[in-house]
Amino acid sequence: DAGVTQSPTHLIKTRGQQVTLRCSPKSGHDTVSWYQQALGQGPQFIFQYYEEEERQRGNFPDRFSGHQFPNYSSELNVNALLLGDSALYLCASSLVSGRAPEQFFGPGTRLTVL
Amino acid sequence: AQTVTQSQPEMSVQEAETVTLSCTYDTSENNYYLFWYKQPPSRQMILVIRQEAYKQQNATENRFSVNFQKAAKSFSLKISDSQLGDTAMYFCAFMKGSMGGGSNYKLTFGKGTLLTVNP
Repeated sequence: DAGVTQSPTHLIKTRGQQVTLRCSPKSGHDTVSWYQQALGQGPQFIFQYYEEEERQRGNFPDRFSGHQFPNYSSELNVNALLLGDSALYLCASSLVSGRAPEQFFGPGTRLTVL
Repeated sequence: AQTVTQSQPEMSVQEAETVTLSCTYDTSENNYYLFWYKQPPSRQMILVIRQEAYKQQNATENRFSVNFQKAAKSFSLKISDSQLGDTAMYFCAFMKGSMGGGSNYKLTFGKGTLLTVNP
């Protein structure tokens, strides 16, 4: 049973560029949440997708956008990159109808903005 | 808004000993879940243990147990018989519950405690 997968593992971009990160949820899960984890900090919630719609959003600017596909996989897009966007981006999947509210995390994508 | 506070940035313990990590939280919700996640140097976040706020009994998973004090809004993690593989960042997290049970809300994390288990 495949867990949550993310690609790429590492990414280096320059200021002003755009980036797309990808996530495939755990088999059987229908909800994908994205988190940003700055160095030495706890993860911060960016947004959550269910039924191909953004359902919840954290305190992140509109430069952060996402998408969910019919197969439940998801993308996180960040436009006009800033140095402060350098972080580990974590994807987590869950089942909206599940009684157990665990979110299962992927290994993350390390984004470095130069 | 919910907040989660972990007041111990770093802790260390000798192998085979017991260590307790502290977590406090603030919420006006009555229905919620609390979690401890472990993030080893390999960085994959792994769920260690979960506690439902409506359950008075403290959760236990093998060597890991919690002390849940709802009135005090405290949720500490005790690791017994510490092993070298327990070395990791430990995050306490909060999730609001849904009406009727379960939840699909966001996780709110603390800043983490770096635990080092020494041989």
